[in-house]
Amino acid sequence: NAGVTQTPKFQVLKTGQSMTLQCAQDMNHEYMSWYRQDPGMGLRLIHYSVGAGITDQGEVPNGYNVSRSTTEDFPLRLLSAAPSQTSVYFCASSYDSHAYGYTFGSGTRLTVV
Amino acid sequence: GEDVEQSLFLSVREGDSSVINCTYTDSSSTYLYWYKQEPGAGLQLLTYIFSNMDMKQDQRLTVLLNKKDKHLSLRIADTQTGDSAIYFCAEYQAGTALIFGKGTTLSVSS
Repeated sequence: NAGVTQTPKFQVLKTGQSMTLQCAQDMNHEYMSWYRQDPGMGLRLIHYSVGAGITDQGEVPNGYNVSRSTTEDFPLRLLSAAPSQTSVYFCASSYDSHAYGYTFGSGTRLTVV
Repeated sequence: GEDVEQSLFLSVREGDSSVINCTYTDSSSTYLYWYKQEPGAGLQLLTYIFSNMDMKQDQRLTVLLNKKDKHLSLRIADTQTGDSAIYFCAEYQAGTALIFGKGTTLSVSS
């Protein structure tokens, strides 16, 4: 049982490049979310999913795209990276009831130059 | 939208109690959480409280909930240097996901 696995752990992109941050969980969780963490801003919700085939926007969705074709995977795509997307990205998942909170991955530190 | 509010910094001496406060936004929130983040690490769930409870105790941690004022607090008894971290309050907003405050940095001095 690996929990929530995020890859890569570190990434440097040039402005305008695209990439996909991977997130996978092996706990059969229906709910998955992406957050970004910036100094002094806490965690802000980018996109979330309540099940396979269902996604929705969070607080800061612009510049990001998601899909949920399977229960296990919830990739986050940066279509054209900008320096403002330099951040630490966390993926999280949860049981439907939320009684146990969300389980977080260890994060991806992204720098856009 | 409205924010989950927390004070940004708290400094205590080892052995004292720490109290971290949070004001949340949604009176219909069913679950409220406290997470801990150590430097360079992800978020670890410390404890949670269901909205029909006023208090929950878990070893050194006590969570108090005032639904009328939408106020949540986390008390850490006998604070240790290993408790130095960022503490996040979060609420689950139905149909979405967890919404977090900006975090309170707890500094424990010996």
